[in-house]
Amino acid sequence: GAGVSQSPSNKVTEKGKDVELRCDPISGHTALYWYRQSLGQGLEFLIYFQGNSAPDKSGLPSDRFSAERTGGSVSTLTIQRTQQEDSAVYLCASSLYGEQFFGPGTRLTVL
Amino acid sequence: GENVEQHPSTLSVQEGDSAVIKCTYSDSASNYFPWYKQELGKRPQLIIDIRSNVGEKKDQRIAVTLNKTAKHFSLHITETQPEDSAVYFCAASSPGNTGKLIFGQGTTLQVKP
Repeated sequence: GAGVSQSPSNKVTEKGKDVELRCDPISGHTALYWYRQSLGQGLEFLIYFQGNSAPDKSGLPSDRFSAERTGGSVSTLTIQRTQQEDSAVYLCASSLYGEQFFGPGTRLTVL
Repeated sequence: GENVEQHPSTLSVQEGDSAVIKCTYSDSASNYFPWYKQELGKRPQLIIDIRSNVGEKKDQRIAVTLNKTAKHFSLHITETQPEDSAVYFCAASSPGNTGKLIFGQGTTLQVKP
């Protein structure tokens, strides 16, 4: 079956612009996660959606970051007024029980 | 909140040797401990996991051990091969059965042929 997909795979933007990153989780997975991975670094938790519950936004680094999950499926991570320090790979994962399945990531470069 | 420390940050071994990566966690209520492997330029993939009701789990050349009292768990890879070269991440579940994972900082394993 299809795995987690993300788009775009690469995004280059100018400082100050807004960007939207999309995640399509595995069908039927109730949980969806966003992580940020800077070059050579670990997986930094950003936000977590579980079913119809309020999302856990405790990892969002600033109010420039927001995310939505529509209809319990597709999710969009929005970064407003991008800064150079936002440059990283943004990974999405979904799960049903336990194991998280990761997407290929979106590499964001802010010039 | 939960915190996960992972050591070493880099590890280099000769092909055929064993490799051990260790993680400690802070919250005794954590009950799920997965290990992910991330090859260069690829997505992380689960290689093995363990729950708190088990002390050890093996899958061919890899094994994970869990010491709940000391709050640490380890990944053991035996008979290492060049294709084991990757970054390995440990994780611990956030207390409350939310499904959220807290990841360690990763270990870059290099297996020299």
